[in-house]
Amino acid sequence: GESVGLHLPTLSVQEGDNSIINCAYSNSASDYFIWYKQESGKGPQFIIDIRSNMDKRQGQRVTVLLNKTVKHLSLQIAATQPGDSAVYFCAENFNDMRFGAGTRLTVKP
Amino acid sequence: KAGVTQTPRYLIKTRGQQVTLSCSPISGHRSVSWYQQTPGQGLQFLFEYFSETQRNKGNFPGRFSGRQFSNSRSEMNVSTLELGDSALYLCASSLLTGVNEQFFGPGTRLTVL
Repeated sequence: GESVGLHLPTLSVQEGDNSIINCAYSNSASDYFIWYKQESGKGPQFIIDIRSNMDKRQGQRVTVLLNKTVKHLSLQIAATQPGDSAVYFCAENFNDMRFGAGTRLTVKP
Repeated sequence: KAGVTQTPRYLIKTRGQQVTLSCSPISGHRSVSWYQQTPGQGLQFLFEYFSETQRNKGNFPGRFSGRQFSNSRSEMNVSTLELGDSALYLCASSLLTGVNEQFFGPGTRLTVL
């Protein structure tokens, strides 16, 4: 289902371009971070995770960067496709999972 | 392997009523977490159950409760429903408790009139 309200940050990219979605997390002691993708009518879907002892992790077409100095996460999607259109959430774990507000990614064909 | 299932998918209740939502985790997963998702607040953690014990609880009133059965299936209950309880309730399962990947179900859309 729809997951965010009217003030959700949005990112619009052309098909084939690279996308970068940013997230600021709140707790410097958080030790585990996840990026989720949520399509309309569905629950969040795991994309990639990273632990606090790393600063970069790569998956298939996706890369997560972690900057603990400024408490910042980013998700890079290479060669963005129309099927990548969704809301993307970052989540941090410290005792429990805390989610960011999300960013709506729209891919224009 | 079947994913996380939640029932019912949609529910309409009136203020003051109570509701029970059900979640069946992925086979073999022992941890179940519940979240509330609203346009205004985003995704918020409700509680986590592991081996039939509540391991962690978010900042929600006591009207929100849950339990887990020996087969790892979980239920959450909301009593004395308020209009503000209208939300998508998501369940996520993971193999173990603590820091590890969670798999989400499709959610139950609760509307309180």
